[in-house]
Amino acid sequence: AQSVTQLDSHVSVSEGTPVLLRCNYSSSYSPSLFWYVQHPNKGLQLLLKYTSAATLVKGINGFEAEFKKSETSFHLTKPSAHMSDAAEYFCVVTRSGNTGKLIFGQGTTLQVKP
Amino acid sequence: SQTIHQWPATLVQPVGSPLSLECTVEGTSNPNLYWYRQAAGRGLQLLFYSVGIGQISSEVPQNLSASRPQDRQFILSSKKLLLSDSGFYLCASLLPAASPEKLFFGSGTQLSVL
Repeated sequence: AQSVTQLDSHVSVSEGTPVLLRCNYSSSYSPSLFWYVQHPNKGLQLLLKYTSAATLVKGINGFEAEFKKSETSFHLTKPSAHMSDAAEYFCVVTRSGNTGKLIFGQGTTLQVKP
Repeated sequence: SQTIHQWPATLVQPVGSPLSLECTVEGTSNPNLYWYRQAAGRGLQLLFYSVGIGQISSEVPQNLSASRPQDRQFILSSKKLLLSDSGFYLCASLLPAASPEKLFFGSGTQLSVL
């Protein structure tokens, strides 16, 4: 069975400092992994995806994530936080078969302080 | 382009009352449709998915049901709401065989059961 665990429910950073949102996954096969962002009162937006190509994945808004099979991790990073990055972030893995069946982590709330 | 209409955006219902949330999709044909729920402080959980008219698969046992009376209409229902049904409900659409990052989400319905 597939699952994802987001290790922090809440992360607080100062504007201009690096962001690290941690995600570990469990999968019995080579997974497809994603990071989604959800801003208040808005829908989900795909940040980036990993689908067994390059292990370092670059996404929108300066975010990137590295797939580490040995550590079963897919942490999301950004060199310099912006106030507009404050949102809820979800690490997601797909289930086998129907590709719309996503398994979401519990979410990490990113707070960016001025 | 694809659009998902979900209504209402917010809903407050008493315990024991019925529920009907509607989702309609525009700009695509024969999509797979999904209902996800996000409980407070938790990630999204897949409730139902449908690969065609009248075809519904339930992912978790619960107080809710789903129906797909038309190709681009997906309805989430309950005969008697429970407190535990409170949450944020998202409808999503994905063309068959499309890669999972193409999953398209609606803007959601915030349901509060009091």
